[in-house]
Amino acid sequence: EADIYQTPRYLVIGTGKKITLECSQTMGHDKMYWYQQDPGMELHLIHYSYGVNSTEKGDLSSESTVSRIRTEHFPLTLESARPSHTSQYLCASSELGTGELFFGEGSRLTVL
Amino acid sequence: GEDVEQSLFLSVREGDSSVINCTYTDSSSTYLYWYKQEPGAGLQLLTYIFSNMDMKQDQRLTVLLNKKDKHLSLRIADTQTGDSAIYFCAEILTGGSYIPTFGRGTSLIVHP
Repeated sequence: EADIYQTPRYLVIGTGKKITLECSQTMGHDKMYWYQQDPGMELHLIHYSYGVNSTEKGDLSSESTVSRIRTEHFPLTLESARPSHTSQYLCASSELGTGELFFGEGSRLTVL
Repeated sequence: GEDVEQSLFLSVREGDSSVINCTYTDSSSTYLYWYKQEPGAGLQLLTYIFSNMDMKQDQRLTVLLNKKDKHLSLRIADTQTGDSAIYFCAEILTGGSYIPTFGRGTSLIVHP
């Protein structure tokens, strides 16, 4: 059983609102990731981190930002949400040097 | 660069075997992974194989690797309705950033 948690699971908000998607893991993993999953199933890496104070942009350009102040916590923030941000957001973590990722259940965001 | 391709859909009858295929392009030493995503959930690692192996078996799952053709397959024996999910193939290069490259996912539908 993976110990990685995302909140909220579902969120419906209006355009222009600021939102933060939370992701926490209790496995002590150094590496964490955020993926955006479109309705066609494809996963797009938007941010990742190698550890505390490390953040990197992924393959898909995103208007979101992330922070990694603590090992276990990797929140994603949208300063001003737009309908184009409507998507499923998946957080994951792994040990360094491995491709075995542990995923959270996801946060489904709808921006009206 | 890395590129991972999968067919998008597979439909099988309950009790039959399912074979999900994946091709990858990088010729370096690599780990190849199969993940499963059930509706409304994150991805879960099913199994993995290193590029110096030809086959790996784990209960109903058999992974076959054809290095010459860069072709990976996942065979599910005695497919059950609970196997209905999206299956993602992923590749990681050893010695690199260890960021996985995911395929677009194959949606497996198991009908009675």
